[in-house]
Amino acid sequence: EVQLVESGGGLVQPGGSLRLSCAASEFTVSSNYMSWVRQAPGKGLEWVSLIYSGGSTYYADSVRGRFTISRDNSKNTLYLQMNSLRAEDTAVYYCARVGGFGEFPEYWGQGTLVTVSS
Amino acid sequence: EIVMTQSPATLSVSPGERATLSCRASQSVSSNLAWYQQKPGQAPRLLIYGASTRATGIPARFSGSGSGTEFTLTISSLQSEDFEVYYCQQYNNWPYTFGQGTKVEIK
Repeated sequence: EVQLVESGGGLVQPGGSLRLSCAASEFTVSSNYMSWVRQAPGKGLEWVSLIYSGGSTYYADSVRGRFTISRDNSKNTLYLQMNSLRAEDTAVYYCARVGGFGEFPEYWGQGTLVTVSS
Repeated sequence: EIVMTQSPATLSVSPGERATLSCRASQSVSSNLAWYQQKPGQAPRLLIYGASTRATGIPARFSGSGSGTEFTLTISSLQSEDFEVYYCQQYNNWPYTFGQGTKVEIK
């Protein structure tokens, strides 16, 4: 059974950094399209970043230049490095394996909460 | 960026009745549209992709239709577990964007 387990969330001050991890089971991260999607408290969904199996990366305008998506093939893990964090980055961050040609999140993790506050 | 608008924001329906949820795109997304269901405190679940193809394990009472800018998710006979929040998402142009959601509540 496909499983995704996020970790690394927590409380961070504005301007700070955090790295989220997503450990995958029963499939190979590097052979799939993977993404991070976030949801601010009580709000809707926002697609943050996408990485193709070939390595191409895509970012929402709201995080481009501050966030970096990457993967460690030896650990079968996806990452999201978040720098220069802002209050508006506060959200539950979901890792997802994306179906189609990197088009629709098909399998989701349980999410990890990031709170940016002083 | 393509803006996805869902209506209504809240839909009140009795169990066993039909629910019809709408999603409109600010420009054509062809059939590159997905629907998700989300329960409180849980991750979304993929229901429909390609505007009308049910994802694995999704009951036949869920159906999707539409193309271009107008899309519909229909739940033919609402079960107790269907009273949740539903989101549409376009994947025609990056950034892929979601609608703001429709909450289906018990009437």
